[in-house]
Amino acid sequence: DIQMTQSPSAMSASVGDRVTITCRASQGISNYLAWFQQKPGKVPKRLIYASSSLQSGVPSRFSGSGSGTEFTLTISSLQPEDFATYYCLQHNSYLLFTFGQGTKLEIK
Amino acid sequence: EVQLVQSGAEVKKPGESLKISCKGSGYSFTSYWIGWVRQMPGKGLEWMGIIYPGDSDTRYSPSFQGQVTISADKSISTAYLQWSSLKASDTAMYYCARYSGYDLDYWGQGTLVTVSS
Repeated sequence: DIQMTQSPSAMSASVGDRVTITCRASQGISNYLAWFQQKPGKVPKRLIYASSSLQSGVPSRFSGSGSGTEFTLTISSLQPEDFATYYCLQHNSYLLFTFGQGTKLEIK
Repeated sequence: EVQLVQSGAEVKKPGESLKISCKGSGYSFTSYWIGWVRQMPGKGLEWMGIIYPGDSDTRYSPSFQGQVTISADKSISTAYLQWSSLKASDTAMYYCARYSGYDLDYWGQGTLVTVSS
């Protein structure tokens, strides 16, 4: 199975900061990597798919990059509504999916 | 509009059986895989398995193989997740989600399952 290591597990930042979250795969996964945002009590919301494609309606301050085994989610200028938990998600050719452990982004 | 509507919250006792549902609409239900995701209280998202309603091809996460059964009834555009004997550790929110070909693009609203004696 492919393992996903997401880091950091938690972080604090201020409004206006630039934030980067990383997911590393135990083996190459092409670009089958997505990023989700989840707020307490809410359904996960897709932000980025295919590693770097921005979901329609998601603000452009969110961006994704990477391929192979290392992927990043960047928020260019944090807004108050961005404080949430973020997850990466990958899958292999057999449709076995793996979520990252999550990154809880809190206000400093 | 694509929608996945899940069945309502359940409260069960250990040892009881349960089947929860996820009804798709607004798209060709038989043409997209439907996956299930668990979220235990205060914890992260866990992948459980996926089914292709067109032919019922099903894949399970090794962590959930043998613990749950995923099925689908394409005649009513509904996927199911079932347990034959619930445990307290099955207490969680369960989400269904559609596989877009890249990842999970549409999600159900979630079904909260509480197992308590």
